Amino acid sequence: DAGITQSPRHKVTETGTPVTLRCHQTENHRYMYWYRQDPGHGLRLIHYSYGVKDTDKGEVSDGYSVSRSKTEDFLLTLESATSSQTSVYFCATSHSLNEKLFFGSGTQLSVL
Amino acid sequence: KNQVEQSPQSLIILEGKNCTLQCNYTVSPFSNLRWYKQDTGRGPVSLTIMTFSENTKSNGRYTATLDADTKQSSLHITASQLSDSASYICVVSAQKQAGTALIFGKGTTLSVSS
Repeated sequence: DAGITQSPRHKVTETGTPVTLRCHQTENHRYMYWYRQDPGHGLRLIHYSYGVKDTDKGEVSDGYSVSRSKTEDFLLTLESATSSQTSVYFCATSHSLNEKLFFGSGTQLSVL
Repeated sequence: KNQVEQSPQSLIILEGKNCTLQCNYTVSPFSNLRWYKQDTGRGPVSLTIMTFSENTKSNGRYTATLDADTKQSSLHITASQLSDSASYICVVSAQKQAGTALIFGKGTTLSVSS
C-alpha cells in the first residue's frame, strides 16, 4: 500500500455520539478524499480536499464534516452518528485529479 | 444521469482459466476509465487508467480494453490465480467545470477455485 494510514480500523459507537476518523498520508499528495462503501452501492464520495484548508462536498455529505489543517492529515467527523452511517469508510489520495487514487485499508464503523 | 454498470455481478472460475469482466457506462463528458482490484477487507488498488485515445492497456495478466464509441470496457484476466479472487471495480471519470467526478460501478466479485 501507499503510505496511507486510517485510524481507527474498527469502531463501534452509539447513536448521537460524535465520531472522528483520521487519514494520514506520507505521499505528499495534494488531493485527499473520504468515501463510504455499502453493500449494493459503488463507492460514494463524502468530501474531498484539494489543499490545506480547501475542502468541498461530495454526493453524500449530509451529516459529515471534514478538516485538513496539514497536507498529510484529513479528518472526517460525524457530528452526531446515526445508524445509517454504519459503513466502511475509505480514505484515498491522489497527486492530481486525473491520476489514480491510492486507498487506505478502511475503517469499519458500526453505529448502534 | 451518469452511470457505470458492471457484469456479471459475480463469477466463479477454475484456477488457470481466463475470464472477462464487462463495464458499460453512460458518463459524459468522458475523461478516463479506471479498473481497480479490491481484496476482501482492503482498499481498492489501481490496475489501469485509460483515456479516450487508448483502447488497450495491460498490467501483467490484466488487460483492459476501451471502446469509447460504444461506451464499453472489459477487463481480461489471463491464467487466473487464487490471488485474483477479489472484487473488480470499474470507475469512470467525468469532466466537470470545477474538476472531475468519479463514478464507481458496484463491482464484479471474482472467485478463483483450485
